[in-house]
This record gives sequence, C-alpha cells and structure tokens, in this order.
Amino acid sequence: EVQLVESGGGLVKPGGSLRLSCAASGFTFSSYPMIWVRQAPGKGLEWVSSISSGGTSTDYADSLKGRFTISRDNAKNSLYVQMNSLRVEDTAVYYCARGIGSYPKYYFDYWGQGTVVTVSS
Amino acid sequence: ETVLTQSPGTLSLSPGERATLSCRASQSVSSTFLAWYQQKPGQAPRLLIYGASSRAPGIPDRFSGSGSGTDFTLTISRLEPEDFAVYYCQQYGSSPLTFGGGTKVEIK
Repeated sequence: EVQLVESGGGLVKPGGSLRLSCAASGFTFSSYPMIWVRQAPGKGLEWVSSISSGGTSTDYADSLKGRFTISRDNAKNSLYVQMNSLRVEDTAVYYCARGIGSYPKYYFDYWGQGTVVTVSS
Repeated sequence: ETVLTQSPGTLSLSPGERATLSCRASQSVSSTFLAWYQQKPGQAPRLLIYGASSRAPGIPDRFSGSGSGTDFTLTISRLEPEDFAVYYCQQYGSSPLTFGGGTKVEIK
C-alpha cells in the first residue's frame, strides 16, 4: 500500500524557516517524481515544487523561487522542502504527492494527509 | 501560465442527479494533459481522472471526463451521497502546473 506521511509543520514567525519531510513507503520511491502542493485555509490547491525521480531536476512556482528548496534522499525514501524567509501568506496545509509523467509534466496519483504550516507573529 | 477556470463555483444537486462540472483553460492544454481530483473536508485530494478521460484505478464508472484543447468536463452520472465534495481540475501540459479554483458539489 502506498503511503506518504508528512511531518515538520508548525508555527513559525515571519522571516523564519522550516523544513518539511515526507516519508514514503509501499512503492519504489526512487522511480517516481515527487511534488509538494499546498492549500491555504479555505482556498484551493497550489503547486509548490517538483523533483524528478533521481533528484537532478527541480521546478518551482515562480512566487517561491529562491525561498523554497526541494530535495530528496532516495536511500531514505524521503522527500523534503526547506522553506526560508517565510511569510504570512505561506500559511497552508502542505501535501506531498507522487507524480506520474515526464518532467515537468506531472499529475498526482497518491497524496499524503498533509502537514500544517502557520506563519504568524 | 495556463489559468484554469472552473464553473460553476457551487453546484446544488440531489442524490441520483447528474453533475456536470466545467474546466476552461486560458490556452490549449497539450496532449489532453488534464486531471481531476476530489477533495472532502479534512482530507487530501484523490485522483479521479487523468489524460482528460482515463479513470484512475478504483474510481467508479459513474465518473467520466471529456474534452480537449481549452474545454474539459467532469460528469458524475448519478450522484451518490459520498460524491458531495469539492472537485479540482489540474493541467500538466506546461509548467507551471496549475489547478482550477474548484467546484463544490453540495446536497440540495
């Protein structure tokens, strides 16, 4: 059974940093691209970042470039996103998802349950 | 960036009725690279349709997708109680990947 479990969310002050993790199981992690998607309270879904299966190619939403860094450790079956210079508008539930397709054109067939990030003073 | 506009914003229907949800793209979506997701309150999204018309594994056949170019449709032939939720379309034909704003299907 495919499982994706996010962790690392919490309350952080504006300008602060946070690192989210996603632990994957039930599939060959190193064979799939992975993605972060976020959802602000009461809002729709927003793609954040993608990383190819080998980790050599990454892609980011324009509004996040330079602040967020996606990475993965295929030996640990884990996906990460380092979030710096956080803003109030980054407050959201952050989901990791498994990608299907060829870089950078992915849809998402499995999703984690999400981790909540709150940016507030 | 390909902007996806979903309509209507809210659809009020009764169980057993047919639901027709629209997703319109600001530019042509290449190779029908369009997906649909269902999201219930407090849950993660679930993939329903990919490639505009292919059902994901385990998705009931009352869900169907159609369309090409800039106009796409998700149809639920007969609404079951568990189908009342928010539905999102997503295009993956070009970067950045984008989602529509969602259509809420609520019980009338």
